[in-house]
Amino acid sequence: DVKVTQSSRYLVKRTGEKVFLECVQDMDHENMFWYRQDPGLGLRLIYFSYDVKMKEKGDIPEGYSVSREKKERFSLILESASTNQTSMYLCASSTLAWGKRSGANVLTFGAGSRLTVL
Amino acid sequence: GQNIDQPTEMTATEGAIVQINCTYQTSGFNGLFWYQQHAGEAPTFLSYNVLDGLEEKGRFSSFLSRSKGYSYLLLKELQMKDSASYLCAKGGFQKLVFGTGTRLLVSP
Repeated sequence: DVKVTQSSRYLVKRTGEKVFLECVQDMDHENMFWYRQDPGLGLRLIYFSYDVKMKEKGDIPEGYSVSREKKERFSLILESASTNQTSMYLCASSTLAWGKRSGANVLTFGAGSRLTVL
Repeated sequence: GQNIDQPTEMTATEGAIVQINCTYQTSGFNGLFWYQQHAGEAPTFLSYNVLDGLEEKGRFSSFLSRSKGYSYLLLKELQMKDSASYLCAKGGFQKLVFGTGTRLLVSP
């Protein structure tokens, strides 16, 4: 019954390494999101995508990039990992266009990927 | 900005009622969401309010006042399994912005 799958639950990387975090959803959702979650700061939006090959910056995009080549897959890329990118990364997806008055604009989250950068 | 404020931590006793408040900036508002997150797990959707008033869903209710930029989540008949973080999130254009969450500890 898994709907949003993140490829790695735990990763340990070294400073300067390139890191790929993969997310796949099987609900045919249009929108996909990457958040990071840190104690005292809550969930902060990094990037999101509302269609294939489309991407929009969130609130903290610096140091990250994303790729959405297929509807079901949204990848987060850290070009050169740094210690301040040590965090829990959460992928989410949702359906329907924003602006519609519907409770269906609900995010479904993956289990998260805990990244440690040494 | 998108300031969303909620208390950091609350404690309550099993069987009691607890109210978790959330305030937000009213500009660009498109709905108010509440999510529950148990430790080490993903957030899960609890409720959504876009109009003023109270929405009841079993033991959980959520209230919204758009003019005041205020919402609360009401949990009744608390159970131990309700110990979790509760995240308030404001819907805006294309995205949700989350508060830092309220950690609720339910004791016997």
